[in-house]
Amino acid sequence: AQSVTQPDIHITVSEGASLELRCNYSYGATPYLFWYVQSPGQGLQLLLKYFSGDTLVQGIKGFEAEFKRSQSSFNLRKPSVHWSDAAEYYCAVGAGGGKLIFGQGTELSVKP
Amino acid sequence: DAGVIQSPRHEVTEMGQEVTLRCKPISGHDYLFWYRQTMMRGLELLIYFNNNVPIDDSGMPEDRFSAKMPNASFSTLKIQPSEPRDSAVYFCASTVGTFGYTFGSGTRLTVV
Repeated sequence: AQSVTQPDIHITVSEGASLELRCNYSYGATPYLFWYVQSPGQGLQLLLKYFSGDTLVQGIKGFEAEFKRSQSSFNLRKPSVHWSDAAEYYCAVGAGGGKLIFGQGTELSVKP
Repeated sequence: DAGVIQSPRHEVTEMGQEVTLRCKPISGHDYLFWYRQTMMRGLELLIYFNNNVPIDDSGMPEDRFSAKMPNASFSTLKIQPSEPRDSAVYFCASTVGTFGYTFGSGTRLTVV
């Protein structure tokens, strides 16, 4: 069965530091992979997605993610974090028929 | 584009009462999803529709939950009777084609 694991429940980084949020997936075929961000009291916003092709995917707000098939990973990165990036981040895998399976989320805190 | 519109934003109801949550998807989107978000269980897919037809309702927790999509521009999620454990944030999302959900802002339901 398809699944997504985000190993880090909570991460704190200093403003201006680099960020990497981990995501591991389980899926039998070539996965469709996504990262979403959720600010408090808001819905989820799509940051980026991977369907095929170049394994390094650029998204909005300066985020990028790299698909590594050998590691079943799709980690999210940002070279320099801003205080406004503090939010909950969700990795998701397409499970067929339009469904998405979400990880448990990683809460990002940013220190001034 | 107004996005996915959910109403109400907040709902407080007494145990045993009927609750109806509403969703207006983005025009032209052919998939509609209902998710529930709680601290304990994260994001759970409850049910989804394709072209107004329910495709998978295996995530609906109990018979107390029901969902309808009478036309392409409107869907409801109903809980009858409501219980305190139904307290959660309920999200509606829509997409066209395979993936790339747009989420609504959610309805925060509190059952007392």
